[in-house]
Amino acid sequence: AQKVTQAQTEISVVEKEDVTLDCVYETRDTTYYLFWYKQPPSGELVFLIRRNSFDEQNEISGRYSWNFQKSTSSFNFTITASQVVDSAVYFCAPNQTSNQAGTALIFGKGTTLSVSS
Amino acid sequence: EAGVTQSPTHLIKTRGQQATLRCSPISGHTSVYWYQQALGLGLQFLLWYDEGEERNRGNFPPRFSGRQFPNYSSELNVNALELEDSALYLCASRFPNEQFFGPGTRLTVL
Repeated sequence: AQKVTQAQTEISVVEKEDVTLDCVYETRDTTYYLFWYKQPPSGELVFLIRRNSFDEQNEISGRYSWNFQKSTSSFNFTITASQVVDSAVYFCAPNQTSNQAGTALIFGKGTTLSVSS
Repeated sequence: EAGVTQSPTHLIKTRGQQATLRCSPISGHTSVYWYQQALGLGLQFLLWYDEGEERNRGNFPPRFSGRQFPNYSSELNVNALELEDSALYLCASRFPNEQFFGPGTRLTVL
């Protein structure tokens, strides 16, 4: 069974600081997807990124970047120059690949990020 | 393009009653997932529907059930409500490998 550990329960930073959210996962699958979602106070989960397990190239999207290390089963998320609007709960989640498409996402406990001005 | 919609936004019930929650997926998406986010328990998978059939369910009792209609919208029913059923219920639709979530229904059981 898959399992996700987000060891940081809460992180507080001041605006413009960089912050990294850690994610370590366990899976017996040889291929899988990894996701990050953001949950602002409104409650809706916002999709941020999907990463294939066989693609270890790091990805950058604006102020967001992701570091995927298959050897250590980690998929860390960095926000550069954080802003107050980044305050939210962030979830990391793996699931199986499309050869068994439809399996549910397994969510970690989430990391609550608070960015103060 | 409209996102996933859920109704009602809030629902207040008393213990023992039944609750019905509704979800409309993004147009063209045939798979619908239900998740429960209860305080202290995190996000847990409840049910998955695809093409009108229940495909998988999480570790929840049978009083949690649902269905998917021909237009791919879905309904989640919770019978014999218990206090611990109070939670945010999130619906997601999937295409092809990403799940997109609705705003949720907050169910309060008194």
